[in-house]
Amino acid sequence: SQQGEEDPQALSIQEGENATMNCSYKTSINNLQWYRQNSGRGLVHLILIRSNEREKHSGRLRVTLDTSKKSSSLLITASRAADTASYFCATAQGAQKLVFGQGTRLTINP
Amino acid sequence: EAGVAQSPRYKIIEKRQSVAFWCNPISGHATLYWYQQILGQGPKLLIQFQNNGVVDDSQLPKDRFSAERLKGVDSTLKIQPAKLEDSAVYLCASSFRLAGPQETQYFGPGTRLLVL
Repeated sequence: SQQGEEDPQALSIQEGENATMNCSYKTSINNLQWYRQNSGRGLVHLILIRSNEREKHSGRLRVTLDTSKKSSSLLITASRAADTASYFCATAQGAQKLVFGQGTRLTINP
Repeated sequence: EAGVAQSPRYKIIEKRQSVAFWCNPISGHATLYWYQQILGQGPKLLIQFQNNGVVDDSQLPKDRFSAERLKGVDSTLKIQPAKLEDSAVYLCASSFRLAGPQETQYFGPGTRLLVL
């Protein structure tokens, strides 16, 4: 079963704006990861945040994690057309398994 | 460094036929995963290998799906017989060690299967 639920399911913004996606999950986790999937392609790992971390940055990406609310957010700043993709959160349960959410489809309009 | 390779990229079959997918992970990666991704959903883990042993196959429909990873390198996933609901993208991924808190999974481009 899929644990993570992304919100919104779809998001359309203008180039240059910021995009925020949220992920909620149900059980305790070791870490939470965000992946990007361009149309018709495999997934690419973006960032990993551990359960004892609250915020992490990587370039234009900022991820927050609130374990008390079992939620995470991904912020993409100064969006570009190339950011158009589906974004998935995945929770690491136990030592091995990644469970993916259903994803947010992000469209950046020029 | 070469990425995860998968073939074929596309496959169209009729229901009740059989089909096989192939995956070559990144060199040196001990752990290999097969995921099923139905349109509009996130990937669902079907089976996970460490070297040539199965770590998790709890979501693999074993009455019709089988997978093997001979010699701990390449892997094949087979469906026999296929059903309409098997139409999906089948993704292969690999990671360096047994997945843990620090592990990143590297995905191949996937095989898009359409069952008619």
